[in-house]
Amino acid sequence: SQQGEEDPQALSIQEGENATMNCSYKTSINNLQWYRQNSGRGLVHLILIRSNEREKHSGRLRVTLDTSKKSSSLLITASRAADTASYFCATDASGNQFYFGTGTSLTVIP
Amino acid sequence: DADVTQTPRNRITKTGKRIMLECSQTKGHDRMYWYRQDPGLGLRLIYYSFDVKDINKGEISDGYSVSRQAQAKFSLSLESAIPNQTALYFCATSDPGLGTEAFFGQGTRLTVV
Repeated sequence: SQQGEEDPQALSIQEGENATMNCSYKTSINNLQWYRQNSGRGLVHLILIRSNEREKHSGRLRVTLDTSKKSSSLLITASRAADTASYFCATDASGNQFYFGTGTSLTVIP
Repeated sequence: DADVTQTPRNRITKTGKRIMLECSQTKGHDRMYWYRQDPGLGLRLIYYSFDVKDINKGEISDGYSVSRQAQAKFSLSLESAIPNQTALYFCATSDPGLGTEAFFGQGTRLTVV
């Protein structure tokens, strides 16, 4: 399988705290993307980081990428109850397919 | 209207029945994908298509077939449904090239009894 893995599988934090989730993958990539899924609904794209980038920001999101370790992290700062969702990383090795990780379920407690 | 529409949204079917899940998109994308989602396993790629004449198997294509009827339509069939095909199925689209994101439908929850 070319699936990546997210860690932790589940995360519960208080509103206002930061949430960090990690993604490990197996193959060389062109880019890595993070998606969000609200309970049982379709995935929504959050942010993309290219293989030659090490860090990227978008609003309260910060993504890092370490291609030597084949890993990425997603940081959500100042979390809100509305951030409660599952988060998935997806790798794109050749512009052909997206391989998704197993997801991190985030619960933000008001 | 949603950019990527899946029908039906929910379906219960019996073992051995043939079932088709349909996907249509208004984004004008050439690329379309079918994924299944199981708890704890994330999303796994079943089939993908880069244009009407191009169909490719993904990680878990056994027991499934697809048809790309037009640029905007991509359907997934289970010829003889079995209980372990119970899952949440997603259709997605993307533009060709590197650095493009995937756009997902709302999913079809399929239960095989």
